[in-house]
Amino acid sequence: KQEVTQIPAALSVPEGENLVLNCSFTDSAIYNLQWFRQDPGKGLTSLLLIQSSQREQTSGRLNASLDKSSGRSTLYIAASQPGDSATYLCAVRDSGGFKTIFGAGTRLFVKA
Amino acid sequence: DARVTQTPRHKVTEMGQEVTMRCQPILGHNTVFWYRQTMMQGLELLAYFRNRAPLDDSGMPKDRFSAEMPDATLATLKIQPSEPRDSAVYFCASGLEHTEAFFGQGTRLTVV
Repeated sequence: KQEVTQIPAALSVPEGENLVLNCSFTDSAIYNLQWFRQDPGKGLTSLLLIQSSQREQTSGRLNASLDKSSGRSTLYIAASQPGDSATYLCAVRDSGGFKTIFGAGTRLFVKA
Repeated sequence: DARVTQTPRHKVTEMGQEVTMRCQPILGHNTVFWYRQTMMQGLELLAYFRNRAPLDDSGMPKDRFSAEMPDATLATLKIQPSEPRDSAVYFCASGLEHTEAFFGQGTRLTVV
């Protein structure tokens, strides 16, 4: 049974700092991995999708890496801003391509 | 602007009542997911469909929950009878096979 863990559970950083969020999964037979952002009381916004054959994806100040063999992914946020404050969720889709399991999320607070 | 639409956004009901939540997936998407989010459990997958057929609903309490797709533009999640422990935010997501999932804004259900 796939389990997804995110560390740290919460993070508070000053504005401008570069930071790394971690995601680990127990079953390396995945189809893809997706990072989401969730603002309080809102839905989930997709940030980056990495297919199992890929090593990383970049969008603006965000970079996500995937090491399938070790069961790890990281989300790197460069030059953090107060607007980045949100919960970041990692989701793993199984090798069949359908079932998606979420981590508990990392709650990020960027101080101005 | 394509988006997943969920109705209602908020629902307060009394224990024992039937609750129906609706989801309109993005046009052309052939996979639909239902998730439940609580503080304690995080995001849990309840059910998912491909081409309107249910592929897995093992995450759903079968005695009171049911999920259907009467047509390609509508997915429903029904709880009968509802209980206070069902209070949560219910999310619907849609996508194409093996690609990123797009989430709706959720239905916040409170059972009193």
